[in-house]
Amino acid sequence: GAVVSQHPSRVICKSGTSVKIECRSLDFQATTMFWYRQFPKQSLMLMATSNEGSKATYEQGVEKDKFLINHASLTLSTLTVTSAHPEDSSFYICSARGSPGGRTYEQYFGPGTRLTVT
Amino acid sequence: AQSVTQLGSHVSVSEGALVLLRCNYSSSVPPYLFWYVQYPNQGLQLLLKYTSAATLVKGINGFEAEFKKSETSFHLTKPSAHMSDAAEYFCAVSGPEGNKLTFGGGTRVLVKP
Repeated sequence: GAVVSQHPSRVICKSGTSVKIECRSLDFQATTMFWYRQFPKQSLMLMATSNEGSKATYEQGVEKDKFLINHASLTLSTLTVTSAHPEDSSFYICSARGSPGGRTYEQYFGPGTRLTVT
Repeated sequence: AQSVTQLGSHVSVSEGALVLLRCNYSSSVPPYLFWYVQYPNQGLQLLLKYTSAATLVKGINGFEAEFKKSETSFHLTKPSAHMSDAAEYFCAVSGPEGNKLTFGGGTRVLVKP
């Protein structure tokens, strides 16, 4: 149980275009979803936290107009990278927190999305 | 505020030898502590967690970690390394509410035959 999926797993886009990444909790309701960014050989950096039906809370230094987050349902959150540039190329990982098995504190991670902007 | 320090960005061990990955944390609230493993181009898999119960925590794949409050440490060990243990390992801390995970810098483990 507690499976989180991401789609797509890899995406290549041209500079200036927008890309949407989906994060789904498959077998539980995720009241909170988190979006992380990971540069090569580095750790995960939290970008934003989203609660279902509310606006996302962005970490300091993350441009909210560039990284649009929507958490429209208890099983789906989307991250849209708008007007992508090569420096946005990265590995994006989502996680979901709900209460599968009553463990409200635990985050379950998706497999990640590799974004390459050319 | 919370932070995590993982000592050693790279660790090399021989197959069958002890694996020891060090993690120290700071937290202004009682911490929940986690160890995750990441294989190339994949997400994170939870190895084990400490949530204020037993201080010695056993996880998957033969890993265990001990919470030592006096040392603010949560080191990860495995008695005998296997080739499949080659991966990146991350220590993370959150508060009891689980609102925000703060990750350490990661330790890449290389297992030599």
